[in-house]
Amino acid sequence: DADVTQTPRNRITKTGKRIMLECSQTKGHDRMYWYRQDPGLGLRLIYYSFDVKDINKGEISDGYSVSRQAQAKFSLSLESAIPNQTALYFCATSDSGMQETQYFGPGTRLLVL
Amino acid sequence: AQSVTQLDSQVPVFEEAPVELRCNYSSSVSVYLFWYVQYPNQGLQLLLKYLSGSTLVKGINGFEAEFNKSQTSFHLRKPSVHISDTAEYFCAVKRGSTLGRLYFGRGTQLTVWP
Repeated sequence: DADVTQTPRNRITKTGKRIMLECSQTKGHDRMYWYRQDPGLGLRLIYYSFDVKDINKGEISDGYSVSRQAQAKFSLSLESAIPNQTALYFCATSDSGMQETQYFGPGTRLLVL
Repeated sequence: AQSVTQLDSQVPVFEEAPVELRCNYSSSVSVYLFWYVQYPNQGLQLLLKYLSGSTLVKGINGFEAEFNKSQTSFHLRKPSVHISDTAEYFCAVKRGSTLGRLYFGRGTQLTVWP
């Protein structure tokens, strides 16, 4: 079984709709992250969480919100989707410490029409 | 904030040829450096990392990278590539004094031709 899972894997939605992307992990890590990937832009950090009570904005948090429901679960919401939020979204986890490695989920491909 | 520059967006190379993917970062007192690989339709996975010690770091699949502090570089190399190495490669940097934040480069698409 995968250590970091994301649902859904693919989603098509319309402008203005609310959508939630979910991430679960079985690695027991405290830290979780949401990134988006756009061609030629690499990965950009949306939000990150160092533990259940800690939520931090990343580089591009506008238009997104997150919820850390439990140590193992970290959800990303688009309150009112717009076409330029069409992208590949990745969840990642890492353990505590200065030298941590991030482990990535398989990604969610989102298309906003 | 850190900045990470991957100097080549695309690198085409023939099978069994050597390859170098270049990465430079903005300077800091201490940094941790990473290379991640993304195969088609998959998430990222760690290829190798430099934390401290020897500046030559060996990773999976025959890749290695050299940390050069004076040039603030962390170039990735492989002496002989295979078709299966076709993927996108991301360099990432984390400041030693900052917890948790990785800064990624824009990626280099390596395409290996037969």
